[in-house]
Amino acid sequence: DQQVKQNSPSLSVQEGRISILNCDYTNSMFDYFLWYKKYPAEGPTFLISISSIKDKNEDGRFTVFLNKSAKHLSLHIVPSQPGDSAVYFCAASRSTGNQFYFGTGTSLTVIP
Amino acid sequence: EAQVTQNPRYLITVTGKKLTVTCSQNMNHEYMSWYRQDPGLGLRQIYYSMNVEVTDKGDVPEGYKVSRKEKRNFPLILESPSPNQTSLYFCASSSPEVNTEAFFGQGTRLTVV
Repeated sequence: DQQVKQNSPSLSVQEGRISILNCDYTNSMFDYFLWYKKYPAEGPTFLISISSIKDKNEDGRFTVFLNKSAKHLSLHIVPSQPGDSAVYFCAASRSTGNQFYFGTGTSLTVIP
Repeated sequence: EAQVTQNPRYLITVTGKKLTVTCSQNMNHEYMSWYRQDPGLGLRQIYYSMNVEVTDKGDVPEGYKVSRKEKRNFPLILESPSPNQTSLYFCASSSPEVNTEAFFGQGTRLTVV
């Protein structure tokens, strides 16, 4: 049973525009959420995270929004750059645990 | 440089031939995990370890074994590989601090024929 879902397998965006990647989760016990970026032939690398006590976290061009009541989070990339083209995984965990639950990933293509 | 190292990166083997994928981390992390990535299924946890000699099943443990005899190493063992274990495997490590991320290795692409 998939506890973290990314319903969009792919997304294409023009360079300079905003990319919005979405993620939904079902387990209300999750209190820490992460986004990972993965290039082909490489392992996932951590991008940005948010604790459930916040509803927004920003790091440069990347902002993650959390809506706890809707069990939904999103990653905004502004402005999008061709180097952002990668697969993005959403993940969730309980802050006291070791288990990270990942979504199925969204492949982002930024068109020059 | 902080890193998680997996070996081999690529492996083709035959059904039933035992194999081991090694994983080592140099960050002194207590927690280590193995994941497999399959199309349309994302990353699924196979096994995890919270410290030396402490391991537990993840979501898809069938057909796999692990051991944690040293803090830095966490090998994944396939005693009798089958074609449905053809996948991309990732090892990860993390610290037990609250709200921390996992660090991943480069991946091992395994093909079982």
